[in-house]
Amino acid sequence: QVTLKESGPALVKPTQTLTLTCTFSGFSLSTSGERVSWIRQPPGKALEWLARIDWDDDKFYSTSLKTRLTISKDTSRNQVVLTMTNLDPVDTATYYCARSELGASWFDPWGQGTPVNVSS
Amino acid sequence: SYVVAQPPSVSVAPGQTARITCGGNNIGGKSVHWYQQKPGQAPVLVVFDDSDRPSGIPERFSGSKSDNTATLTISRVEAGDVADYYCQVWDSSSDHVVFGGGTKLTVL
Repeated sequence: QVTLKESGPALVKPTQTLTLTCTFSGFSLSTSGERVSWIRQPPGKALEWLARIDWDDDKFYSTSLKTRLTISKDTSRNQVVLTMTNLDPVDTATYYCARSELGASWFDPWGQGTPVNVSS
Repeated sequence: SYVVAQPPSVSVAPGQTARITCGGNNIGGKSVHWYQQKPGQAPVLVVFDDSDRPSGIPERFSGSKSDNTATLTISRVEAGDVADYYCQVWDSSSDHVVFGGGTKLTVL
């Protein structure tokens, strides 16, 4: 059974850096074809894809946010980390991580999400 | 960048059929996936690759696509189907993921 769980601070001040961790089980990011993405959802708004990391350490970022995002993986700990710099109140959202695979562009399953509030 | 459009809301009476559309330029050439998000919960995949259903998803949920529009059809709608529904495609030209704006399903 594949599961993912996000963790990180619930409150961050503007201009600070956010670090989120996705801890997963039931698959390995050292296995060919495996991928993990981060997706966020501001309150009452739509889903927005942020970044993806692949089994071979290829990384892809949202065009609008790429200067602020860094995604990395720790295969031994089954974790994917997303950092976002220079936080702004508009970054307030629930942040999800989700699994996908090479040749399968859908996300299944998703983590439960972790809410992040950017406020002074 | 690629854009997909969904109606903000769809309303249907219990037992009737709900159809939620997702439109995009040449969407016929892309695989479309659909997610159900109930209030306070994470999204759940209900249809992938236009019309396939993951295990555990009721047959009442089906997907189709023609020309520039993909459609999620929910037959015999139940009160428990109340949720936001999102379509998603992968833009191969940029290797980026695109989500629609979501459609809120109301059961009258």
